[in-house]
Parts: sequence; C-alpha cells; structure tokens
Amino acid sequence: GAVVSQHPSRVICKSGTSVKIECRSLDFQATTMFWYRQFPKQSLMLMATSNEGSKATYEQGVEKDKFLINHASLTLSTLTVTSAHPEDSSFYICSVLAGGHEQYFGPGTRLTVT
Amino acid sequence: AQKVTQAQTEISVVEKEDVTLDCVYETRDTTYYLFWYKQPPSGELVFLIRRNSFDEQNEISGRYSWNFQKSTSSFNFTITASQVVDSAVYFCALRVGASGSARQLTFGSGTQLTVLP
Repeated sequence: GAVVSQHPSRVICKSGTSVKIECRSLDFQATTMFWYRQFPKQSLMLMATSNEGSKATYEQGVEKDKFLINHASLTLSTLTVTSAHPEDSSFYICSVLAGGHEQYFGPGTRLTVT
Repeated sequence: AQKVTQAQTEISVVEKEDVTLDCVYETRDTTYYLFWYKQPPSGELVFLIRRNSFDEQNEISGRYSWNFQKSTSSFNFTITASQVVDSAVYFCALRVGASGSARQLTFGSGTQLTVLP
C-alpha cells in the first residue's frame, strides 16, 4: 500500500496563531487526499477532500477559511489551521486514495492549542 | 445517506479468547465497499480488509476472519486466539459508488478492544 507521512506529529501553539500540517505521499502520486479530524475516543470525521491542482471540497460545517487546504503537487497536501483556538485541538489525519478503493492513512498530527 | 453502526464501544477479553466485533451498515446503493481499520495507541490507522458488495464470500487471514452478510447488512470481524498486541480501536467503514467524488469513507464510532494478558 501507499506510504503516507505527516509533519509534524505533534504541535502545540498559542491561541490566535496559525499552524500548518503537511501530508506527503511517499511512494504514490495522489491526485486525491482526504483530511480528517478525530476527537478523543471518537470516530474520524471527514473535513475535506483535497484534489491536486484544484480547490478542496469541504464537508458541511467545516469552515474553509479557517482550515485552508492546498494540494499543489501529487505528493503533498497541506492543512493550515488559521487563528487556532482551543476547540481546534484535535488529532488530524490525512489519507491518500490509492487505486480507486483503498485509503492509506498518515500517522496523524496531534494539535494542542493553548 | 450512509451510516455505519458499531454498537460495541468497548470489549475486554483475556488473551487467547476469540472475540467478534460487530458492524452494521446502512446504504441504499447497490455498489459499495466495506472496510475494517485498526488504530493502535500510536494513532495510525492500519488497513485490514476491503470487501465489495458483490462478494459475500467470507475471508480468513491468519487469526482474522470476516463475515459479510447482506441479508442483515452486517460485516463482522472475528479475531481468533486474541493477543495483547491486538489491543486497539477497530473501525468499520463504508464507501458507496465506484467512481466520481463518492469516495469518502463513512466510519463507525469504533470499538476499543483490550486484550488482557
């Protein structure tokens, strides 16, 4: 399967600052990547679908101006949490759509906003 | 709309016991795919299996087996002779359609499995 990395694995930031999370597909050219968030002891909730070279498609209720997604190449998608607040603290996970069916997930990024 | 229900929030078993994790799904689509993922404490999701709606054949992979029954809309997962390393959260997921943008996964709420030594 596809190998996916995320950077950073953990980040702590102050309220009001912005944080960028990178998702890289190391061995597969991914035209489609997904971004999820997961609160403690809860399931994964899809935030947006990231398409290479075009605008991301956001799920209902996800603020596109707050969660900026850029998919500038076939191996990199970035999620920027702008003006972060404590309620944005969560586990953010990206995935790569490979072969039309399976999604391969990154190791996740734990964001803590103080 | 799609829905995946994992009614078991937490399960604890003693090592070497068999355990079955339940998954019930809802969809009106005739073409769909079912998945199981494992999320160990490290957080990274590990793909376990994919099954399409036209293939009801049960599958066995080592200590893992899956029972897909369309009549009851269930896709249950059994671990035989459980081991401590099996302790994790297990997610069942559903994807409908075969093309276009309908490639999002709908996840169940997950089942926390704890295998005690």
